[in-house]
Amino acid sequence: DGGITQSPKYLFRKEGQNVTLSCEQNLNHDAMYWYRQDPGQGLRLIYYSQIVNDFQKGDIAEGYSVSREKKESFPLTVTSAQKNPTAFYLCASSIAGAYNEQFFGPGTRLTVL
Amino acid sequence: AQSVTQLDSQVPVFEEAPVELRCNYSSSVSVYLFWYVQYPNQGLQLLLKYLSGSTLVKGINGFEAEFNKSQTSFHLRKPSVHISDTAEYFCAVTLKEDGGYNKLIFGAGTRLAVHP
Repeated sequence: DGGITQSPKYLFRKEGQNVTLSCEQNLNHDAMYWYRQDPGQGLRLIYYSQIVNDFQKGDIAEGYSVSREKKESFPLTVTSAQKNPTAFYLCASSIAGAYNEQFFGPGTRLTVL
Repeated sequence: AQSVTQLDSQVPVFEEAPVELRCNYSSSVSVYLFWYVQYPNQGLQLLLKYLSGSTLVKGINGFEAEFNKSQTSFHLRKPSVHISDTAEYFCAVTLKEDGGYNKLIFGAGTRLAVHP
């Protein structure tokens, strides 16, 4: 089955620690995205990548970092510089082009204690 | 800048009743429009999208939406809801840009609660 996997489903970390969220897709999509979801605020774009070895900041990139070394993988690191990291994180991918649907993974809920 | 407004944060409705979830957007250029559904603790799933052509778009699970350019709206409707439709619904917009990537702008979401 083709799709997007995110792991783990739930993640707990102590304040001040960096943490990396995994996102893998086997849809052969060129573009991948990371969103943050907070209650009542919809989804906000953190980073996106249209091609391997290239990525751009979204609307709320501060305190986050990404890499895109393989087409299938787009890991997100939440650094200690992120002031309020507790949230639901969603990864998505799509074929290049504005009219194309973004396919979403199941999400990772990060709680920083 | 583009923005998307979902006018109702919560919509309670009884099973088998009709429902409309409202979405308005602001943009001075042509857009593509999407509705996504999110079940608790899951990712988003596309319900339907408007790219061009007929302004009435039919999607999965019996949902449909109508694009109204003059009112910059894209309201989602279902004539008879089921308990299983209880979820959060997101309206999203992206600009029509040749060769550009599809940066989606999301509304804040509408929580649909279907009661027996």
